[in-house]
Amino acid sequence: AQSVTQLDSQVPVFEEAPVELRCNYSSSVSVYLFWYVQYPNQGLQLLLKYLSGSTLVESINGFEAEFNKSQTSFHLRKPSVHISDTAEYFCAALKSGTYKYIFGTGTRLKVLA
Amino acid sequence: DTAVSQTPKYLVTQMGNDKSIKCEQNLGHDTMYWYKQDSKKFLKIMFSYNNKELIINETVPNRFSPKSPDKAHLNLHINSLELGDSAVYFCASSGGAYTGELFFGEGSRLTVL
Repeated sequence: AQSVTQLDSQVPVFEEAPVELRCNYSSSVSVYLFWYVQYPNQGLQLLLKYLSGSTLVESINGFEAEFNKSQTSFHLRKPSVHISDTAEYFCAALKSGTYKYIFGTGTRLKVLA
Repeated sequence: DTAVSQTPKYLVTQMGNDKSIKCEQNLGHDTMYWYKQDSKKFLKIMFSYNNKELIINETVPNRFSPKSPDKAHLNLHINSLELGDSAVYFCASSGGAYTGELFFGEGSRLTVL
């Protein structure tokens, strides 16, 4: 069965430091990959997605993720975080041709002043 | 204009009662979903409808009954509420298989006393 693993449940980091949130997926077929962000008491918002093409995808607020097929990873990175990046981050996968999106258990990013 | 809207945003009720949550999307999507997010932020898929047809039905107690009167609406009715049903319920929609991301509503927080 397809699964998505986010090994880090919490990541504390100081403001302006770089951060990497890890995501690994298990699938033997093509997948689409997503990162979502959830701010307190809000719904999930799409941060970025990999469907095909360039393996490096970027968001408008400075996050990027790289699809690595050999390592089955889709880690999220930002070179310099802000206090406002404090939120819960979810990695998700959709097996190509299906409707079932599978979510990881989430990583709480806490940016410290 | 809100893309995916859910009502009510908060429900507080007693064990044994019945409650409904409504969801509407104005994105013209064919596929809609219900997800349950527990207190640890785990997101679990419950149901999905594609053009009014049930396509995903995870191992959810039959006290939960989804209904899709048309492809823009997906409602969730819960009978005989239990303490363990307390969670945030998210409605989401997508354009269907092959087409990318989920769009989420703001969530409906259900508290069963």
